[in-house]
Amino acid sequence: EVQLVQSGAEVKKPGESLKISCKGSGYSFTSFWIGWVRQMPGRGLEWMGIIYPGDSDTRYSPSFQGQVTISADKSISTVYLQWSSLKASDTAMYYCARRGDFWSGSGYYHGMDVWGQGTTVTVYS
Amino acid sequence: EIVLTQSPGTLSLSPGERATLSCRASQSVSSSSLSWYQQKPGQAPRLLIYGTSSRAPGIPDRFSGSGSGTDFTLTISRLEPEDFAVYYCQHFGNSPPYTFGQGTKLEIK
Repeated sequence: EVQLVQSGAEVKKPGESLKISCKGSGYSFTSFWIGWVRQMPGRGLEWMGIIYPGDSDTRYSPSFQGQVTISADKSISTVYLQWSSLKASDTAMYYCARRGDFWSGSGYYHGMDVWGQGTTVTVYS
Repeated sequence: EIVLTQSPGTLSLSPGERATLSCRASQSVSSSSLSWYQQKPGQAPRLLIYGTSSRAPGIPDRFSGSGSGTDFTLTISRLEPEDFAVYYCQHFGNSPPYTFGQGTKLEIK
């Protein structure tokens, strides 16, 4: 079964650091991009960034560039999202998701086809 | 960066009715690059449609997507009780960011 399994819920104080994880299994982990998506309480989906575990090529949304770091350890099929100094506004659910590549006959179409279960991050003093 | 605007914000319909959800892009996008997702409370999103009109594996054929240029549509032909959820469109351009629309909540009337 293809799946992404995320690390558990976190409760942190402002200013603390945090690294959450997303472990892939059931497919060739190094061949698919993995993205991170934020969902603040009661709000919509926000695309944060994406990484290709094969070579750690990473792209960020301008809104999140410099605010978080995305990394990967392909030896253990795991992608990470980390903060060096959390803020209360980082309180949210964070999802990792695989970018699926669907061959159309003339090119590839994309969609986030496999999602982790989400990691809740709560930051409060 | 392309901005996706979904309408309406909330759609109130009854089971058995047809639902039409709109996603408008701030500039013309390739029809190969538009996807739709469904999210139910307490769950991760689920991919419904990719490439504007192709259903993801396991998605019922009452879900269909269409559109081109700046205007895209997700249609649910006959609503089932389990279809009431929030729906998001997403754009995959030649390079990131892969932005989402703000969502349409489909609620039971």
